[in-house]
Parts: sequence; structure tokens; C-alpha cells
Amino acid sequence: AQSVAQPEDQVNVAEGNPLTVKCTYSVSGNPYLFWYVQYPNRGLQFLLKYITGDNLVKGSYGFEAEFNKSQTSFHLKKPSALVSDSALYFCAVRDVRSNDYKLSFGAGTTVTVRA
Amino acid sequence: GAVVSQHPSRVICKSGTSVKIECRSLDFQATTMFWYRQFPKQSLMLMATSNEGSKATYEQGVEKDKFLINHASLTLSTLTVTSAHPEDSSFYICSARDGAGAYNSPLHFGNGTRLTVT
Repeated sequence: AQSVAQPEDQVNVAEGNPLTVKCTYSVSGNPYLFWYVQYPNRGLQFLLKYITGDNLVKGSYGFEAEFNKSQTSFHLKKPSALVSDSALYFCAVRDVRSNDYKLSFGAGTTVTVRA
Repeated sequence: GAVVSQHPSRVICKSGTSVKIECRSLDFQATTMFWYRQFPKQSLMLMATSNEGSKATYEQGVEKDKFLINHASLTLSTLTVTSAHPEDSSFYICSARDGAGAYNSPLHFGNGTRLTVT
């Protein structure tokens, strides 16, 4: 079984401040982890992924995420948030041993960056 | 990058009619496609998995006779909502896996279809 928890429904930050969106996961084996962003009435856009190797992953639009195996976390971060980062963010996981390519998504976190 | 085109973006239909939503991979061959349903401010609920040339696999609780999925080619999958009712109103999203991609490649998503049944 695989699952993701995003403990915060909403995150509000001021423009220019650091942004963190939390994610914890649960898988039987090792995880593939992904972050996606969704703008209103649009599909999901891929931001970054963790497969193996370096625990700090850098992705699109200045986002990065840190894989922490002991804490089973994969928090998304951006050092300096922009108003345009306001959107709905989803963390997703797939067990490395899975052969059906299904992703399990978290409930999503709405990020609001105020000017 | 890989592009998934989903059409229509919005559709309004009357109760009892059927609606077809198309999902096309424009620059890659999608061996596997997924269909999701998303309620306002909620996560994506996986409805079914479709593999090219075979029957779709539906998630528990999803009526296969109501949500007909066809994946007849490597670039096209369709979702038909049959005999639509107002409770079927939702945002439907497809995603596709590049068959030539690595095992751990991210899925590529369409822009979704807002279905409103009156």
C-alpha cells in the first residue's frame, strides 16, 4: 500500500519569504516521489521528482525538495516565493516495486503568496 | 516536452445525455493512460487505468458501464460519461505515461475537462 499526507490545507506567505509545503509518505518498499502544481481549471504540471541519489532535488521555477528517509518526508521548498507561485500543490508517491504506474496523491495544499 | 491535449476544456450537457472526453498524447506514445475525477479543492480520485488495446481497469466503486473508457491507439484515450446526471458534474483529468520513458518517469497531465450536467 502507498499513501501520502499533506498536513496543511493552506500555506500563506509574503512575497520574498521562504515557502515550505510539507509532505510525508508511506510505502512498503522504496518510494518514487513527485511534486505537481495545479492552477485553477488546469491539469497538473510536474515540478520535480525524487528517484534515488542526492536527497536534495531541484526542479522547475526555483523549487526544490528534500527527501528524508528516516522521517519519510519530502517537503517542497522555495527560498523566495512569488505571487505567481499561488496555486494548489500535490505531493505524490509510487512504490518502486509497483508495476502499474499508479500514483497516490496527497489531498493538496493551497499556497497563497501575498504581495 | 511531452504534451497531453484534453478536449473539450468545458462542456455543459443535459441530464440523460452522454458526453465524450478525449485525451491525446501529442508527441509521444502513451502506453498507459489514467483518468481522474477531482472535486472542488480536493485531491485527484483515480477512476481507471487504460492500456492501449486492452480493457480499462476500474477502481473500486467506479461504474464501468457509466464511465466508458476506450484506448484504441497509442495516442488517444476517451472517457464517455453515459446518461449523465447532475452528480456527475466534476472536473475530469487524464494523464499519460510515455511508453518510451524510464520506469520512473513522471506522468503527463491534460488540462482537464469541466463537466456540468444540468
